[in-house]
Amino acid sequence: GAVVSQHPSWVICKSGTSVKIECRSLDFQATTMFWYRQFPKQSLMLMATSNEGSKATYEQGVEKDKFLINHASLTLSTLTVTSAHPEDSSFYICSARIQVLNTEAFFGQGTRLTVV
Amino acid sequence: AQTVTQSQPEMSVQEAETVTLSCTYDTSESDYYLFWYKQPPSRQMILVIRQEAYKQQNATENRFSVNFQKAAKSFSLKISDSQLGDAAMYFCAYRRGGGSNYKLTFGKGTLLTVNP
Repeated sequence: GAVVSQHPSWVICKSGTSVKIECRSLDFQATTMFWYRQFPKQSLMLMATSNEGSKATYEQGVEKDKFLINHASLTLSTLTVTSAHPEDSSFYICSARIQVLNTEAFFGQGTRLTVV
Repeated sequence: AQTVTQSQPEMSVQEAETVTLSCTYDTSESDYYLFWYKQPPSRQMILVIRQEAYKQQNATENRFSVNFQKAAKSFSLKISDSQLGDAAMYFCAYRRGGGSNYKLTFGKGTLLTVNP
């Protein structure tokens, strides 16, 4: 199956600093990538839809200036959490859809962010 | 707006037995996809099974099968011969057909425990 690699798997950062999370489709081209946030024992909450070469579309209530998304190529999207605060601590997951198949989405392994 | 409802927060099954997880959804679209995803303790989202709305035949993948009742907007997952490795959170998801931008809408999940 298609592989989506997310890096890092976990990160600890100090409050006020910025953290970048990468999402790569390793063996396919993904025009569209999605970023989710998941709190413990809860479902995935979509944060934004990332399209290659254009601005991301953010879901209602998600601060676009805080969660910067860049999708510069067909295989890479990045999420930068700016000026992180402890309440940003969460599990972040990306997914990518195969352009040709346009059906299922494949998920990265997730990134656990802890802001101290 | 589309909604996905999983009414069973938790389920348990004995090893080698069969269990059915429930999912209902609401949509006014005629072209859509339904999915079951598994999230084990590693938190990697894994696609279990996919169903296209236009297909009358229920999808099957080895020990996993679905009961797709389009008129009732019901999409249950049956796991046969349950194994310890099936223990995970299971999410039902809906996606509108058509463009690759269309997002997945997830249910709240069902935590499945497999007892030896």
